[in-house]
Amino acid sequence: QKEVEQNSGPLSVPEGAIASLNCTYSDRVSQSFFWYRQYSGKSPELIMSIYSNGDKEDGRFTAQLNKASQYVSLLIRDSQPSDSATYLCAVSGGGADGLTFGKGTHLIIQP
Amino acid sequence: DTGVSQDPRHKITKRGQNVTFRCDPISEHNRLYWYRQTLGQGPEFLTYFQNEAQLEKSRLLSDRFSAERPKGSFSTLEIQRTEQGDSAMYLCASSTGQGIEQYFGPGTRLTVT
Repeated sequence: QKEVEQNSGPLSVPEGAIASLNCTYSDRVSQSFFWYRQYSGKSPELIMSIYSNGDKEDGRFTAQLNKASQYVSLLIRDSQPSDSATYLCAVSGGGADGLTFGKGTHLIIQP
Repeated sequence: DTGVSQDPRHKITKRGQNVTFRCDPISEHNRLYWYRQTLGQGPEFLTYFQNEAQLEKSRLLSDRFSAERPKGSFSTLEIQRTEQGDSAMYLCASSTGQGIEQYFGPGTRLTVT
């Protein structure tokens, strides 16, 4: 049974600071890793994908992957109030194409 | 490029009734996925199609649930004899291949009374 663990929060970060979101996964054969943002009452929106160890940057977002530690993280620089949302970590691999999601971390950016 | 669309956006039904949802994927996306999300949880995978073939089904997909993608384009998800526990957001996603980015539609919120 694949599991993806996230701290549910809420994680409160001042505006302009760096928000750090973390995720661990149980299945060592996982190959693809994604971060989705979900506003209340809306569907998940893909913000980052990462497939190999290391960092991947896209604008204010940086995803970090460490397969040896089975750990994925998302950094949001210069946090804005509009970044306040639930952030979902998702993984796939091992022959299964369906995504396994964590429960999400509720992020609050304080103006 | 239009995104994934789902219809209806909201559905209220009485226990025991059948409901059907539709999903139209992003054009040229050959993979289509169904998920279910309840309050406070992440989406849970139900099933997926590559073109018209249903390739994987979760154990969550009981025999009251059936999904089709007859021409490899849009898909339908039917729930027979709905139960209150079926109340959830039903999400559809599409992608161009295995293990790569999946893009979600707006979802269909089902309420079973």
